[in-house]
Formats: sequence, structure tokens, C-alpha cells
Amino acid sequence: KAGVTQTPRYLIKTRGQQVTLSCSPISGHRSVSWYQQTPGQGLQFLFEYFSETQRNKGNFPGRFSGRQFSNSRSEMNVSTLELGDSALYLCASSKGQGGLTDTQYFGPGTRLTVL
Amino acid sequence: AQSVTQPDIHITVSEGASLELRCNYSYGATPYLFWYVQSPGQGLQLLLKYFSGDTLVQGIKGFEAEFKRSQSSFNLRKPSVHWSDAAEYFCAVKYGNEKLTFGTGTRLTIIP
Repeated sequence: KAGVTQTPRYLIKTRGQQVTLSCSPISGHRSVSWYQQTPGQGLQFLFEYFSETQRNKGNFPGRFSGRQFSNSRSEMNVSTLELGDSALYLCASSKGQGGLTDTQYFGPGTRLTVL
Repeated sequence: AQSVTQPDIHITVSEGASLELRCNYSYGATPYLFWYVQSPGQGLQLLLKYFSGDTLVQGIKGFEAEFKRSQSSFNLRKPSVHWSDAAEYFCAVKYGNEKLTFGTGTRLTIIP
């Protein structure tokens, strides 16, 4: 069974630009969550999508947005990039039914550098 | 709000020595608990998880963890570490359909 895939793996952008990151979940998984990882703040939850609807949201500005398609693939968009957006962005998928057995499996991440 | 604490930022152990990484959680109810490992530049790999039942859980790569309700702890252990275990380890907690909350991580260094 293929794992979670994220594209691209590395990205360099300049301030003010926007960026779109993509995540393909494990087959059969309907939930996709996004996290930002930085040395200073650690792993911070961005949002979770389940069946094309945002189910949970972290404390990030509106510049960070996402969506999920009918095939469960998800994209995350960051507009008006700032230097502080440089981070490893991780995507995780799970079956999404919640509760006892809903374990998240992570992709390798997208390393975003903002210059 | 749920939270998880990993008191040790960095731990150094000799190859072949035993290892224990600490994790404490807060909140009232019994949570779902996880340990993940992250190698440099990589994503997170699930080591083990605990939902209920036997409080000693076995994971991959020879790791185990013990849930102690009285101490609100879920410490990760390995009897004998290998150089390839050098990585960052994250404890995480989840309640129901709420988001997964991570600790700040413990970086493990292995010396020959």
C-alpha cells in the first residue's frame, strides 16, 4: 500500500508570492491534516479536511487555506508569503472516522524556503 | 486544552545502552497516545500507539511504551539502542475527534 505522498518536496519562493502544496493520502483514507514544523514553534496544526469539508482548524492567519477534492487529495495554499513561513509542511492522512482507531500517517513533507 | 510535555530536549546515550524518553499529558480523560520518530529532513513515522487495554504496548524497531494513568505518563523505552535510532522523537495526544497535539520533541544522539 503506497504511503502519503507530498509534492513538491522542496520549494523556494520570494516574499509576497503565493504557493500551493499537494498531498495524496493513503488509499481509503478520507481525512487529511496539515502541519507546519519550524525549529522555534515545533509542530503546529494548520487544519484538517474530511470528505471535502474542513473539520478542524488551528490558529493560523487567513493567508493559509486548504481544500480537499472528491478523491481525498488535498492542497494547501499560502498567499502573500512571509519570511516566517519558511518551514517543513507535513501532511498526514487517516481513515477519518475519529475515535479509537483513527491513526495519522505522515508524508515526507514539503520544505518551503521563503527568500 | 489538551497538552503534552516532553521534559527532555536532548538526550545522549551510548550505543547498546538502554533508553527511556519521557512524556506527560494533561487533561481529564484518558487520551489516545502516540509516539512518532522523525529522521533529519523526513516526515514522521509512527512507532506505536495506545488506546486502551494492556498498558504496555510494543511498537516497531524494538520500542515499547508504558501507559501509567496515575502519573499521566507514556514513556518510550528501548532496551538497547542502535546508531540508527538517532533521530527526534515526538509524543502526541488526541481526544476523540480533536486534533492531534504534539510535544516539543526529544532529540536523541547516539555515541559509539
